[in-house]
Amino acid sequence: EVQLVESGGGLVQPGGSLRLSCAASGFTFSSYEMNWVRQAPGKGLEWVSYISSSGSTIYYADSVKGRFTISRDNAKNSLYLQMNSLRAEDTAVYYCASSSWGQGTLVTVSS
Amino acid sequence: QLVLTQSPSASASLGASVKLTCTLSSGHSSYAIAWHQQQPEKGPRYLMKLNSDGSHSKGDGIPDRFSGSSSGAERYLTISSLQSEDEADYYCQTWGTGLWVFGGGTKLTVL
Repeated sequence: EVQLVESGGGLVQPGGSLRLSCAASGFTFSSYEMNWVRQAPGKGLEWVSYISSSGSTIYYADSVKGRFTISRDNAKNSLYLQMNSLRAEDTAVYYCASSSWGQGTLVTVSS
Repeated sequence: QLVLTQSPSASASLGASVKLTCTLSSGHSSYAIAWHQQQPEKGPRYLMKLNSDGSHSKGDGIPDRFSGSSSGAERYLTISSLQSEDEADYYCQTWGTGLWVFGGGTKLTVL
């Protein structure tokens, strides 16, 4: 069974940092492109970042470019999102996704 | 600019059928899309990939009640024999250059 399990969310002050993780199982993780998608409270889905299967190609939404860094460790079947200089508008549930979705992890940016 | 347009809401009666629409922006009518379902208080679930010719491939465990079709720039999700658990938000999504683009979502109410 395909499983994606996010972790690392929490409450952080504006300007702070968090690192999200996504543990993958049930499929050949190293063969799949991966994405981070977020959903602010009461809002729709917003794509955040993409990484190719090898990690050699990466894209970011303009809203996070220069502040967030996506990475992966295929040996550990894991996807990461390093989030720096966090803002209130980054408050959202963050999902890792390919053709399956994780359950999400909540990031709250507030003083 | 690649944009997906969805009606904000739809409703249909228990046991009936409903057809949700996702419209691709001008110049993008050949693009494939994906449909995702998000039940209340849950993470999204991948339903299917839908090509411009109407062919589609569903995710694991997606019931036969869910089907897709295409006409020009429009992509459809048809749900037949509506059940109470089909009450959810439905998002269409497509692929730009290294990024995902989401529609605004349609909130389906089962009466």
